[in-house]
Amino acid sequence: GAVVSQHPSWVICKSGTSVKIECRSLDFQATTMFWYRQFPKQSLMLMATSNEGSKATYEQGVEKDKFLINHASLTLSTLTVTSAHPEDSSFYICSARDFRGGLVETQYFGPGTRLLVL
Amino acid sequence: AQSVTQPDIHITVSEGASLELRCNYSYGATPYLFWYVQSPGQGLQLLLKYFSGDTLVQGIKGFEAEFKRSQSSFNLRKPSVHWSDAAEYFCAVGVGQAGTALIFGKGTTLSVSS
Repeated sequence: GAVVSQHPSWVICKSGTSVKIECRSLDFQATTMFWYRQFPKQSLMLMATSNEGSKATYEQGVEKDKFLINHASLTLSTLTVTSAHPEDSSFYICSARDFRGGLVETQYFGPGTRLLVL
Repeated sequence: AQSVTQPDIHITVSEGASLELRCNYSYGATPYLFWYVQSPGQGLQLLLKYFSGDTLVQGIKGFEAEFKRSQSSFNLRKPSVHWSDAAEYFCAVGVGQAGTALIFGKGTTLSVSS
């Protein structure tokens, strides 16, 4: 099946620093990847849609200058949390879209990255 | 507005007993519906999906779900629960073109007692 990896799985950083999270589709090409944020005991909230070779589309209320997304290749998207603050601490999950399943696309999810900002 | 409601935050089921997790959605058009399972340290895994045709959908790990348009529901069922089924379960509706954007419910935590 389609596999999506994320790196790192855990990151702790100081307030004010930037953190980069990688999302890779390992055995398929993904023209579109998605970034979600999940708070404890909460649902996944879509942050942005990342399209290979073009600018990401951000959901309402998500600061594009704070959450930089780059999708430079068909297998890699990166999310950079710039000038991180404690309120950015969360669980970040990416997914990649695979059209091989037929009419209805299927999103395959990475294992997530836990970010703690001190 | 589109939304997904999972009324049960936490459910405990005895091993071997049957399971039903509830999901209700709000969406004006024909929905694409999904159930995902999330285990600690694992990514969300797709259990099953519905977009048309037979309203009873079979998925992996012995799960099935039934789409009921009149009730705006897509409940997940399993006839006999195993201890390894303990996890977080999310119902989602895909909106937009080909169900591109996923709107998730808040999830139901399943505990399995021996």
